[in-house]
Amino acid sequence: AQKITQTQPGMFVQEKEAVTLDCTYDTSDPSYGLFWYKQPSSGEMIFLIYQGSYDQQNATEGRYSLNFQKARKSANLVISASQLGDSAMYFCAMREGDSNYQLIWGAGTKLIIKP
Amino acid sequence: DADVTQTPRNRITKTGKRIMLECSQTKGHDRMYWYRQDPGLGLRLIYYSFDVKDINKGEISDGYSVSRQAQAKFSLSLESAIPNQTALYFCATSDSPGTGDYGYTFGSGTRLTVV
Repeated sequence: AQKITQTQPGMFVQEKEAVTLDCTYDTSDPSYGLFWYKQPSSGEMIFLIYQGSYDQQNATEGRYSLNFQKARKSANLVISASQLGDSAMYFCAMREGDSNYQLIWGAGTKLIIKP
Repeated sequence: DADVTQTPRNRITKTGKRIMLECSQTKGHDRMYWYRQDPGLGLRLIYYSFDVKDINKGEISDGYSVSRQAQAKFSLSLESAIPNQTALYFCATSDSPGTGDYGYTFGSGTRLTVV
């Protein structure tokens, strides 16, 4: 079974609109972390936001917020007031356990912001 | 200078050749990783190292080897390159558990083409 599922292969959004990128995860470990990364066309992997499984509040970083619904095992990324520079691939990833090493990755969502 | 530096950025090599990808970091992190990304897919772990004397195979280690020359240096070798090793390769680092730093820092990637 997929551990990280991103159901939207691609999305088109009008500039300045908010956008939600979906991510669902599957783990039986009570301690885990969820990450979102941005990969522009240049290829580098840029860390956006992190949510720990025990965190009481949803993570926020500037225009990025994570809509963490633990019971539903979802960790959607919300980008407010989208900009042309937000066009990129977005990946959701999970680290299981406190000491685990490996990030498990989703297949990504390609986001295109239209002017 | 970047926190995690990968060299070369791009490389074209012939089938059967040995090639080394290098990674160095200034983060002071103990943990280093090599990931591979194929088009339309998330990243997959090739090898990881928790310190200079601790090297472990990841999900897809066949055909690859690594060397941790120092805390700051982690190189990936393809002993005899084959075309299906054509991919984007990422080096990443992370701090040890318990430090409160959950981030993984990625290099800019090495785009490898095997012809």
